[in-house]
Amino acid sequence: KNQVEQSPQSLIILEGKNCTLQCNYTVSPFSNLRWYKQDTGRGPVSLTIMTFSENTKSNGRYTATLDADTKQSSLHITASQLSDSASYICVVSAGEYGNKLVFGAGTILRVKS
Amino acid sequence: DTEVTQTPKHLVMGMTNKKSLKCEQHMGHRAMYWYKQKAKKPPELMFVYSYEKLSINESVPSRFSPECPNSSLLNLHLHALQPEDSALYLCASSRATGAREYNEQFFGPGTRLTVL
Repeated sequence: KNQVEQSPQSLIILEGKNCTLQCNYTVSPFSNLRWYKQDTGRGPVSLTIMTFSENTKSNGRYTATLDADTKQSSLHITASQLSDSASYICVVSAGEYGNKLVFGAGTILRVKS
Repeated sequence: DTEVTQTPKHLVMGMTNKKSLKCEQHMGHRAMYWYKQKAKKPPELMFVYSYEKLSINESVPSRFSPECPNSSLLNLHLHALQPEDSALYLCASSRATGAREYNEQFFGPGTRLTVL
């Protein structure tokens, strides 16, 4: 069964601190893995997307890693800001053409001052 | 234009009402999607349109009726909904569903639907 599991479920950190979110997946055939940021009541916004051959990708203060052997990914947020408070969703594309998305339940991040 | 727009932002309707949600994109994408998202849950796929034809219906009740009038527009017609249908409805689009490439989906801001 295709599954994406994220940890922790929620996280509270102080502004300026770093944090790392985890994603484990059992999806086959694997096409690509994306991290989305979703503000409450808004649509998800893509942060990074990685294929099988990519093991790290950065977008500003966000750095995602992918270990295709262990089927794990992480999202590292550096120097967190209050605006980073959101749900972070790991999404794995399955299927030959990657058009079937398998969503994780998300990690709710709260950054406080 | 790299945006997916959705209207209305909020909708409150009774169980006997008929209403429609609208989604629009001008990125030349040929695949469009409807998702339903309950609070603190990930989005659940409802429908996929590919080249204006319905390609996936994830066993959605018939009180939800999708329509794709052209490659830029996607509607979701609502009729006789139940209170448990209250959710955030997200529209997304991507270049295609059959291309062997990054098939990144771009999401709209969603319509917050409340059924009384």
